[in-house]
Amino acid sequence: SQQGEEDPQALSIQEGENATMNCSYKTSINNLQWYRQNSGRGLVHLILIRSNEREKHSGRLRVTLDTSKKSSSLLITASRAADTASYFCATGYTGANSKLTFGKGITLSVRP
Amino acid sequence: EAGVAQSPRYKIIEKRQSVAFWCNPISGHATLYWYQQILGQGPKLLIQFQNNGVVDDSQLPKDRFSAERLKGVDSTLKIQPAKLEDSAVYLCASSLDVGIPRTQYFGPGTRLLVL
Repeated sequence: SQQGEEDPQALSIQEGENATMNCSYKTSINNLQWYRQNSGRGLVHLILIRSNEREKHSGRLRVTLDTSKKSSSLLITASRAADTASYFCATGYTGANSKLTFGKGITLSVRP
Repeated sequence: EAGVAQSPRYKIIEKRQSVAFWCNPISGHATLYWYQQILGQGPKLLIQFQNNGVVDDSQLPKDRFSAERLKGVDSTLKIQPAKLEDSAVYLCASSLDVGIPRTQYFGPGTRLLVL
């Protein structure tokens, strides 16, 4: 399967701590994106990294991509209770139009 | 800018009944996607439209699911007849038809329960 696999499946941290989530995939990608889903809501795009990029930042988010290991990490610094949500990595493949393949997601709980 | 609109938000039906979901994408977005998200899993693409043409429907169970986007704007996804395993959230997303990769913008979803 081309589907990305996130790790861990669930993560519980204290407010103010950093949260690191990982995603691995199996075949060469064109890009990798991270999305957040709050309970009962649609997905919200967080950040996109292309296959020729190694690191990107957006506010408290930092994403890295290691194409040799076929893996990506999403770091959320100084977490807040409002960061409690499910996080999904989605991979895009060359020749697949704009199609994305989503992983099963990571459930992040940030305790106040 | 208005987001992706979906209706209804919730639907409960009995197996073998029919159901339809509606989606209105962000204005100007030529590409529209329908996803199925089963509880505890990530979204699975059912069908992708570019304007009113189908780009990818490889994972659409065509014996019971159908979708259309007649005027290249809003879209309808239908299930006929529904099965218990169709219980899921059906998400609609849209994106600009400019370049790859593209960011997808999601609607709130329709939560379907088949009894």
